[in-house]
This record gives sequence, structure tokens and C-alpha cells, in this order.
Amino acid sequence: AQSVTQLGSHVSVSEGALVLLRCNYSSSVPPYLFWYVQYPNQGLQLLLKYTTGATLVKGINGFEAEFKKSETSFHLTKPSAHMSDAAEYFCASSGGSYIPTFGRGTSLIVHP
Amino acid sequence: ETGVTQSPTHLIKTRGQQVTLRCSSQSGHNTVSWYQQALGQGPQFIFQYYREEENGRGNFPPRFSGLQFPNYSSELNVNALELDDSALYLCASSAPGQGGLNYGYTFGSGTRLTVV
Repeated sequence: AQSVTQLGSHVSVSEGALVLLRCNYSSSVPPYLFWYVQYPNQGLQLLLKYTTGATLVKGINGFEAEFKKSETSFHLTKPSAHMSDAAEYFCASSGGSYIPTFGRGTSLIVHP
Repeated sequence: ETGVTQSPTHLIKTRGQQVTLRCSSQSGHNTVSWYQQALGQGPQFIFQYYREEENGRGNFPPRFSGLQFPNYSSELNVNALELDDSALYLCASSAPGQGGLNYGYTFGSGTRLTVV
């Protein structure tokens, strides 16, 4: 069974600072991993995904994530936060069923 | 691409009533999934339809049912509504490809259901 754990329900950063959102997965099979973003009153938008191959994945809006099998992690980073990055971020994994299982989400707060 | 469209955007129902939520999939997508997102939580998988057949189901009771139509649009039906059914219901469509694997979903903006 697939599951993900997002560490920290809220992360607060200053504009221009590094963004780091943490996600650890649990999987009995090689996982497919995703990060989604949700703005208020909207659906989820795919930021990036890992399937196979290169472990450093680049996504939209300057975000990237690195798949580390030894640490069962897939943390999301962005070198410099922007006010428009304030949103809810969800890590998700899927295995053989290809149906994503989502974490509880991390709210990113960006201070001016 | 037209994206995923859900209707209605908001509705209020009384406990015990029945509700039908609708979803139009993104063009070219033949798989649709429904998720329930309670306030402050991540989306929880309800079920998935592929070519009009249920293709997977999460831990939801039978009073949650669905349909997928030949044009790949979909409905979520909930009978005997309970207060805990109040949530944002998200529809997501995905396309086959890359060896038949669905890697990423396109989500609609959701239907906000309030049960009073």
C-alpha cells in the first residue's frame, strides 16, 4: 500500500528565501511520486512528477524535487520564494494501481 | 484542451437527502477519479472509472456511487447524506499513454458540498 507523510502542516518563509517542503513515502513497490499545488477555492495543479530515470525532477514555477530512495523522500524545493507561491502543497504517490494517494498537505506562507 | 469542468460549484443539502455531482473530463482523457477533500485535509480517493467501468475504489461506503458515460463525463452520487459528507469533491481525469500508465491527473476546481 502507498502512503505519504508530509512533515509540517505549515511552513513560513520570507520572500526570496529558500522553500523546502518535506515528503516521505512508504511503498512496497517502486513509487511514482508527485507534488501538487492548490490555491484557495481551486483544484489541484500538478507541479512535477517522478516516474523513472533522473532523480532530480524540475517542475513549473521554479520548483524541483529529488527522489532519494535510500531516504524514502521526495522533498520539494525552490531557491527563492515569491509571494505568489503561497498555497497548499500536496505530495502524492502511486504504485501498481497508478491511483495517487495524497498526504495531508503543507500550507506555505510567504512573508514580505 | 478544455480542462476538467465540475458542476455545480457550490450546493447545500439537508441530511438524508441525495446529491449528484457532475464532471466533464479533459478532451482525450478516458479515466476519471473522484476525491473527497475535507477541510484542512488532503484529498481522499473515492473511486475511479475507466471506459465506463469502476476501476478501483477507496474506503467509502456503497452510498457513494458513480457513473461514467461514453463521452467520458462522469457523475458522483451520494445517498442518505450525512453531516460528515460536507467537503470539497474533486474530479480528476487522466489519459492513457506511456505504456498505459497514468502519471498525472488534471483536476477540476471542485464542488463544495455543505450538508446541514
